[in-house]
Amino acid sequence: GDSVTQKQGQVTLSEDDFLFINCTYSTTTYPTLFWYVQYPGQGPQLLLKVTTANNKGISRGFEATYDKGTTSFHLQKASVQESDSAVYFCALVDGDTNAYKVIFGKGTHLHVLP
Amino acid sequence: GPKVLQIPSHQIIDMGQMVTLNCDPVSNHLYFYWYKQILGQQMEFLVNFYNGKVMEKSKLFKDQFSVERPDGSYFTLKIQPTALEDSAVYFCASSLGGRRIMKQYFGPGTRLTVL
Repeated sequence: GDSVTQKQGQVTLSEDDFLFINCTYSTTTYPTLFWYVQYPGQGPQLLLKVTTANNKGISRGFEATYDKGTTSFHLQKASVQESDSAVYFCALVDGDTNAYKVIFGKGTHLHVLP
Repeated sequence: GPKVLQIPSHQIIDMGQMVTLNCDPVSNHLYFYWYKQILGQQMEFLVNFYNGKVMEKSKLFKDQFSVERPDGSYFTLKIQPTALEDSAVYFCASSLGGRRIMKQYFGPGTRLTVL
């Protein structure tokens, strides 16, 4: 079945460091890919999404490119801030019906030190 | 932005009891979802609901689970009877459109502890 893999459980950086969170996916069709961010005490919020292979999604300084060849959708940010500390989930939607489901990765906990 | 509310934020019950988790979705949304997250594991889809009907459910959505949204009020997840393995955080989500829009708004979750 469809799946999303995030191998990094936790990432600790200092402010202004470069962020790279690895995500790979597995599906037999053409999914839409997402990154969600979850702050403490809140539900996940959509950060960015990409519907078409080889396109890049950009939001709030974060970017991710949907690479069909490597089945990857890594999240990057050039310079992180302490306020970026949160859990980041890679996710995909498959299927072609209106009542869809989101398949989430395990999440990567980003901790940015001041 | 639009907010999804979940009531209660925490619930502790004894195994075998019934529990109802309540979700107040975004007011004009049409599609509703429940997800389950066991501590330290990924969030997993349980069920989606549209126009008064379950459209799709996962294998985690056991026979003891049911959902409804009577008269446009809360979207509820009922578990009867509960089991120890039902302990988790349950997230509700809603969306205006289906696949065409594809943006779900999530609530903050209800932490359910079954003793």
